[in-house]
Amino acid sequence: DIQMTQSPSTLSASVGDRVTITCRASQSISSWLAWYQQKPGKAPKLLIYKASSLESGVPSRFSGSGSGTEFTLTISSLQPDDFATYYCQQYNSYTWTFGQGTKVEIK
Amino acid sequence: EVQLVESGGGLVQPGGSLRLSCAASGFTFSSYWMSWVRQAPGKGLEWVANIKQDGSEKYYVDSVKGRFTISRDNAKNSLYLQMNSLRAEDTAVYYCARDRAADGGSDYWGQGTLVTVSS
Repeated sequence: DIQMTQSPSTLSASVGDRVTITCRASQSISSWLAWYQQKPGKAPKLLIYKASSLESGVPSRFSGSGSGTEFTLTISSLQPDDFATYYCQQYNSYTWTFGQGTKVEIK
Repeated sequence: EVQLVESGGGLVQPGGSLRLSCAASGFTFSSYWMSWVRQAPGKGLEWVANIKQDGSEKYYVDSVKGRFTISRDNAKNSLYLQMNSLRAEDTAVYYCARDRAADGGSDYWGQGTLVTVSS
């Protein structure tokens, strides 16, 4: 099975900061990677699919990059609404896996 | 408007069974792969299973193989998860999700239904 490892697990940042979250796959997944945002008590929200494609309606301050085994999610200027937990997910194989999550906290 | 509404969660004893349902509306259900994803209290997301548009392909995470069965009824616009031999570690909020028609990712999610396995 493909394992996904996110770093860091927790990130403290201020409004206006540039934030980068990394996701590494245990084997190549080409560009078959998605990023989600989840707030407490809510369902996840799709932000990025196919590693770098922005889902409709998602602010342009979110961007994704990478291919193969290393991927990043970048928030160019952190906004108050962005404090949440972020997950990567691979869908290269028939069985999908999520990273363990990165919690973005207020500094 | 796309809507996914889960039901069927509740408290069940270890070894028991439960059937979750997900009612879909606002899109052509039979055109999409569908998934179940769960989240244990205070933990991260775990993909559980998915099913092809016509039900001909189904895939599961190793921890539920042989115990859980995903199915769908396209005539009723409904997705199901039959859960047998439940264990304490199956306690979680279970979400159904629609998988994007192309290029992947799950673009719509239900609100989730809580399954608690406890004696």
